[in-house]
Amino acid sequence: DQQVKQNSPSLSVQEGRISILNCDYTNSMFDYFLWYKKYPAEGPTFLISISSIKDKNEDGRFTVFLNKSAKHLSLHIVPSQPGDSAVYFCAASRGPNSGGSNYKLTFGKGTLLTVNP
Amino acid sequence: DSGVTQTPKHLITATGQRVTLRCSPRSGDLSVYWYQQSLDQGLQFLIQYYNGEERAKGNILERFSAQQFPDLHSELNLSSLELGDSALYFCASSPRTNVLTFGAGSRLTVL
Repeated sequence: DQQVKQNSPSLSVQEGRISILNCDYTNSMFDYFLWYKKYPAEGPTFLISISSIKDKNEDGRFTVFLNKSAKHLSLHIVPSQPGDSAVYFCAASRGPNSGGSNYKLTFGKGTLLTVNP
Repeated sequence: DSGVTQTPKHLITATGQRVTLRCSPRSGDLSVYWYQQSLDQGLQFLIQYYNGEERAKGNILERFSAQQFPDLHSELNLSSLELGDSALYFCASSPRTNVLTFGAGSRLTVL
């Protein structure tokens, strides 16, 4: 049972345009959401996150939107740059368990973003 | 450099063999998480340790085991290896927050 779904395996956009990556989740207990970016031969790196008490979080060119009623979040990248080409993973957390020591993340399968010059 | 160190980077072995993957977390992080990424799959959570104790278990096979040592480094032991165990194995650490910092991964190939 896949609790975090990224239904688009790939996305291609032109440099300077907006990239929109989507993510859906099924577990209503998730209360914290993150986006990670992964280049080949590297580990995932944290990009941006959002708590369930918010519906938007912005950091420079990156904005994450959360729609709790639809159990949907999206990552907007504006403007897109060729260096943004990577695999983007959506992840969700239920918040700390075990006395605040367990922050296990559940990941989607990722979306490969290609930004063309 | 994320501060999370994983060794070896690449490992090729045969079916039936046993391997050990090692992870050193970022300085000060007490939690270590292990994830597996197989072809066309997302990151699958295997197991988590906090300050030497197992705190959460995911889709970890009985042939796999892990531990975290007093110096906080962790080892993932994979035994009786099968072809399907070929994957990238990531270690991540965290200082009691939701943001995990990942290492570069260990690529295991079972022939």
